[in-house]
Amino acid sequence: AQSVTQPDIHITVSEGASLELRCNYSYGATPYLFWYVQSPGQGLQLLLKYFSGDTLVQGIKGFEAEFKRSQSSFNLRKPSVHWSDAAEYFCAVGGRGSYIPTFGRGTSLIVHP
Amino acid sequence: ETGVTQTPRHLVMGMTNKKSLKCEQHLGHNAMYWYKQSAKKPLELMFVYNFKEQTENNSVPSRFSPECPNSSHLFLHLHTLQPEDSALYLCASSQELGQGADTGELFFGEGSRLTVL
Repeated sequence: AQSVTQPDIHITVSEGASLELRCNYSYGATPYLFWYVQSPGQGLQLLLKYFSGDTLVQGIKGFEAEFKRSQSSFNLRKPSVHWSDAAEYFCAVGGRGSYIPTFGRGTSLIVHP
Repeated sequence: ETGVTQTPRHLVMGMTNKKSLKCEQHLGHNAMYWYKQSAKKPLELMFVYNFKEQTENNSVPSRFSPECPNSSHLFLHLHTLQPEDSALYLCASSQELGQGADTGELFFGEGSRLTVL
């Protein structure tokens, strides 16, 4: 069965600092990987996705993520965090065909001025 | 309108009321989902519909009754709810399950915040 682990429940960073949110997955075939962001009281918005090809993917709002098959990881990064990045971040894994994506528990990002 | 639209955005109901949540998608998708998001809990998949047919019922209590009249509309009918059912209910859609075109990418609405008194 597929699963996603986001080991950090909360992450606190200062504005302007770099950010890395961790995601580890378990999946029996080639995974499709996603990062979503959720602002308070809102739905989830797709930040970026990985299906195949270049293992470093660029997303919206200056985010990027790197797929590392050997580590079963898909960590999200941003070089300089803005106060507006404070939100909940969800990693998800899916696959081609009939697989419903599985979500991690989410990581809450707090940004200090 | 574009994307996935959920109404109402906020709902307060008593335990004996009957209400419904509505979701509409304008993306031409054929799969639709209901998720429940409670404070400090993981996202919970409730129901999945593919081409109007229910393909997943994740052991959801019968006081939640979904309806999918067509691929663009999804309802969640609520009756005799409990206070612990208070949560954000999210609707999502994807292209279609079971076909190569579906990649698992979900498109979410903004949610309906439900409070049960």
